Amino acid sequence: AQSVTQLGSHVSVSEGALVLLRCNYSSSVPPYLFWYVQYPNQGLQLLLKYTTGATLVKGINGFEAEFKKSETSFHLTKPSAHMSDAAEYFCAVRSFGNEKLTFGTGTRLTIIP
Amino acid sequence: GAGVSQTPSNKVTEKGKYVELRCDPISGHTALYWYRQSLGQGPEFLIYFQGTGAADDSGLPNDRFFAVRPEGSVSTLKIQRTERGDSAVYLCASSLNAGGVAEQFFGPGTRLTVL
Repeated sequence: AQSVTQLGSHVSVSEGALVLLRCNYSSSVPPYLFWYVQYPNQGLQLLLKYTTGATLVKGINGFEAEFKKSETSFHLTKPSAHMSDAAEYFCAVRSFGNEKLTFGTGTRLTIIP
Repeated sequence: GAGVSQTPSNKVTEKGKYVELRCDPISGHTALYWYRQSLGQGPEFLIYFQGTGAADDSGLPNDRFFAVRPEGSVSTLKIQRTERGDSAVYLCASSLNAGGVAEQFFGPGTRLTVL
C-alpha cells in the first residue's frame, strides 16, 4: 500500500520569502514521487518528479524537492516566493509496477504582498 | 488541441439519474486514467486503461460506476443511479505509455453536482 501525508492544508508566506511545503510518504517498494500544482479552474500540472538517481530534483518555476529515504520525505521548496505561486500543491506517490498515483490532501499556498 | 480535454466542464443532475463524462486524451497516448477529487481532498484513483482494456479498476467505488474506451482513444465514465455523494470533480489524465515514469497529463476536469 502507498500513502501520502501533507502537513499543513494552508501555508502563507510573504512575497520573496522561502516556500516550504511538506510531504511524507509510505510505500512498500521504492517510490516514484511527484509534486503537482493546481491553479484555479485549471488542471493539475507537473512541477517535478523523482524516479531514480539524484535525490535533489529541480522543476519548473524555480521549485525543487529533495528525496530523503531515511525520513520518507519529499518536501518542496522555492527560495523566493512570487505572487504567481499562489495555488494548491499536491504531493503524489506511485510505486514501481503500479500505475496509479496516490495523492495527498493538498496544501493551499497563499502569498502575502 | 494539445492537451487532455473533458466534457462537459460542469454537469448538474438529480439524484437517481444516469450521467456520462467524456475524456479526450492527448493524441497518441495509450494510457488513460480517471480520478475523482472531492472537495478539500486530493484526487483519488478510479480506473486505468492501457489501450482499450481496463488494466486496473480497483478504485471504482461500486458497480454504479463503469468506464469504457472502445477504440483506445476517447473514454467515457458512466455513473448510474447517481447519489449526492458522487458530487466531485472527475479528472482524466493520459500518458504516452504505461510503465516507467511517463508523465500523466491531466485535463481540467468535469465538476459533477448531484442534487
